[in-house]
Amino acid sequence: LAKTTQPISMDSYEGQEVNITCSHNNIATNDYITWYQQFPSQGPRFIIQGYKTKVTNEVASLFIPADRKSSTLSLPRVSLSDTAVYYCLVGDDTGGFKTIFGAGTRLFVKA
Amino acid sequence: EAQVTQNPRYLITVTGKKLTVTCSQNMNHEYMSWYRQDPGLGLRQIYYSMNVEVTDKGDVPEGYKVSRKEKRNFPLILESPSPNQTSLYFCASSVGSFTGEPLHFGNGTRLTVT
Repeated sequence: LAKTTQPISMDSYEGQEVNITCSHNNIATNDYITWYQQFPSQGPRFIIQGYKTKVTNEVASLFIPADRKSSTLSLPRVSLSDTAVYYCLVGDDTGGFKTIFGAGTRLFVKA
Repeated sequence: EAQVTQNPRYLITVTGKKLTVTCSQNMNHEYMSWYRQDPGLGLRQIYYSMNVEVTDKGDVPEGYKVSRKEKRNFPLILESPSPNQTSLYFCASSVGSFTGEPLHFGNGTRLTVT
């Protein structure tokens, strides 16, 4: 199973760039890497997704090295409202379409 | 508005009293899934369904049942709830069963079993 490992927590200040790295050593060939954001008592929300190299949207960038065994979510110029838990998700390699979330990274943005 | 709707939002029950948490999506999604979230453990998948009448176990299926008789609905059934099933539950759906499809989550159901 393609389990993921992320830092438990990170602190940052407003206006800084934040990079959260996720390890997924057993990622399967067909798996995409997807990141979600979750605020307290709400369901996770899709942020960004990628397969390899770099993906950028209006919210974040995702960097994936050639071996795909890790990925880095980059949040430019964070604000207080970016304080949340961030999950890295990869698909199950048995083709059964399980979805495996890690424990997530709790990001705390300070003023 | 495209959404995943769970009911109820909050539920307090006693050990052994059967309950059902409903989940409905209005996006014509094929894939639906249930998760539970406990402090420090992140989201763990309970059951998922790739289409009508097709369901399969996730990582923590013990003590739960599901059914998928219609595409839009995916209820979670606890036949005999126990205190260790006290948790925050989320239902989610996506366009297809391809793992690259983003999941859309409901707002959660907080269940307490005493």
